[in-house]
Amino acid sequence: GDSVTQMEGPVTLSEEAFLTINCTYTATGYPSLFWYVQYPGEGLQLLLKATKADDKGSNKGFEATYRKETTSFHLEKGSVQVSDSAVYFCALKGTSYDKVIFGPGTSLSVIP
Amino acid sequence: DAGITQSPRHKVTETGTPVTLRCHQTENHRYMYWYRQDPGHGLRLIHYSYGVKDTDKGEVSDGYSVSRSKTEDFLLTLESATSSQTSVYFCAISQSDGTYEQYFGPGTRLTVT
Repeated sequence: GDSVTQMEGPVTLSEEAFLTINCTYTATGYPSLFWYVQYPGEGLQLLLKATKADDKGSNKGFEATYRKETTSFHLEKGSVQVSDSAVYFCALKGTSYDKVIFGPGTSLSVIP
Repeated sequence: DAGITQSPRHKVTETGTPVTLRCHQTENHRYMYWYRQDPGHGLRLIHYSYGVKDTDKGEVSDGYSVSRSKTEDFLLTLESATSSQTSVYFCAISQSDGTYEQYFGPGTRLTVT
């Protein structure tokens, strides 16, 4: 079945460092892809999305590009801040069902 | 922010007692979901609903039941709570416009002693 794989965390970075969180997926057809973020004590929030190959989603300085050839949707940010400390979830929505499949999450800590 | 509330926000209950968690939305979205979040397991789907009285099982549905008698309310019931059901429970909603973006509630922390 469809699935999402994320890099294992936790990830610890210094402020202003470059961030990459890897995400790869297995799915038939052309799924929609998402990144969600969960701040401590809160529910998940949609960060960005892409619905077709080569689309780039972006929000709050974060970017991810839908790469069909490598089945990937890596999250990047050029300069992280302490306020970016959170858990990041990669997710996909396939074409033949009503559910969203979430990856296990990657915890990010940014230190001053 | 999407209008989603969950009640209660925190609950402590004893093994064997029934528990009902409520999710309420003011967005008139078609789809509603219940997830549980546990360390090491990420987010796991319990049940979901694609309309009033239309529900289906997720990957961890054993021990849980749901009901949706109105568009705005989705109830999750633990008929006889067990310690393995100690978790944080999240409700989510989404539209049927093809985007399937999900909006999450603030969560309910349930402890079964």
